[in-house]
Amino acid sequence: KAGVTQTPRYLIKTRGQQVTLSCSPISGHRSVSWYQQTPGQGLQFLFEYFSETQRNKGNFPGRFSGRQFSNSRSEMNVSTLELGDSALYLCASRRGSTEAFFGQGTRLTVV
Amino acid sequence: KQEVTQIPAALSVPEGENLVLNCSFTDSAIYNLQWFRQDPGKGLTSLLLIQSSQREQTSGRLNASLDKSSGRSTLYIAASQPGDSATYLCAGDTGRRALTFGSGTRLQVQP
Repeated sequence: KAGVTQTPRYLIKTRGQQVTLSCSPISGHRSVSWYQQTPGQGLQFLFEYFSETQRNKGNFPGRFSGRQFSNSRSEMNVSTLELGDSALYLCASRRGSTEAFFGQGTRLTVV
Repeated sequence: KQEVTQIPAALSVPEGENLVLNCSFTDSAIYNLQWFRQDPGKGLTSLLLIQSSQREQTSGRLNASLDKSSGRSTLYIAASQPGDSATYLCAGDTGRRALTFGSGTRLQVQP
């Protein structure tokens, strides 16, 4: 059974650009969540999607957005990138409120 | 607002030792608690999930307990091995579809 797949694994972007990250959940999992991990702030919740609807959102600026498709795949977008957006972005999928499974993450570096 | 604390922040032990990692949380209305392992630069690997109706879960050399009344969870690792070296994270879920993570315990097992 395939795990959570995140693409790309690494990205380097310039300040002011925008970026889109992708997450394919485990088959049958309809809940997809996104987290940002930085050395200073640790792991912080960005948002959660279920059946193409955002059900919960963390305390991040509007530059961070996401969406979910009918096949449960999800994308997150960050516009007008800042240096502080450099982080490991992790996606998790769940069936209901059970165990969360994470992907390998996308390492974003903003220069 | 749920806050999760992990003590100690770092731990170094000789191979073969039994050890306990601690996790405390402020909101006793926790739905479940999950322990993860993270290797450097990688995603999170789920170790154990304890649901609110359970007191403990076991998987191989790992045993996790949950005491909602005291706001504590512990992860017990028996007969530690160098391959156990990683950062261990606990995360609480209050049923709002977002995990709140502790800052982790960085474990090093010396051969």
